[in-house]
Amino acid sequence: EAQVTQNPRYLITVTGKKLTVTCSQNMNHEYMSWYRQDPGLGLRQIYYSMNVEVTDKGDVPEGYKVSRKEKRNFPLILESPSPNQTSLYFCASSGLEVNTEAFFGQGTRLTVV
Amino acid sequence: TQLLEQSPQFLSIQEGENLTVYCNSSSVFSSLQWYRQEPGEGPVLLVTVVTGGEVKKLKRLTFQFGDARKDSSLHITAAQPGDTGLYLCAGKGAAGNKLTFGGGTRVLVKP
Repeated sequence: EAQVTQNPRYLITVTGKKLTVTCSQNMNHEYMSWYRQDPGLGLRQIYYSMNVEVTDKGDVPEGYKVSRKEKRNFPLILESPSPNQTSLYFCASSGLEVNTEAFFGQGTRLTVV
Repeated sequence: TQLLEQSPQFLSIQEGENLTVYCNSSSVFSSLQWYRQEPGEGPVLLVTVVTGGEVKKLKRLTFQFGDARKDSSLHITAAQPGDTGLYLCAGKGAAGNKLTFGGGTRVLVKP
């Protein structure tokens, strides 16, 4: 079954404690991205990757890091989380063809206290 | 930066009624996608429209892409409780795979 898997689904942490949210896809997609979803703002892109070792900033990259060492994995790293990073996070993957469908993970609800 | 505005933000209707959700931008998009998201899940693609003026139908859902490829609408005929969810439009620019999302329209269909 084609899927994007994120872990964990829920996370409560304290300000400043480094955390990583993992994302893995089994569709051999080149393009992967991270979004955060906040009420009324839709999904905003944090970082994206066109292929292994190729990553770039999206619209709201401050406070986040990513890596793409393998094609299937695209972890999101918060080196020093702050309360304004409390949000619902989604990982997505797609092929590079024009107008291709994006497949989303089930989301990670992060609370930073 | 390309922006997409969706309206309304929230829509509550009775089963059997019709509804329309709008997605507008001042920018031109090469294509526009509509996703539906249910609680606790990620968005799932409903349709992609590519050509200006294009109309696509998916059972009771009708999607239209504006002639100038700056706007789109989603019309649901005879809505059912199963149509309840968050509807998101997303535009793709000329270069790359980046999707720019609208703020979403939360639809509640009451039985």
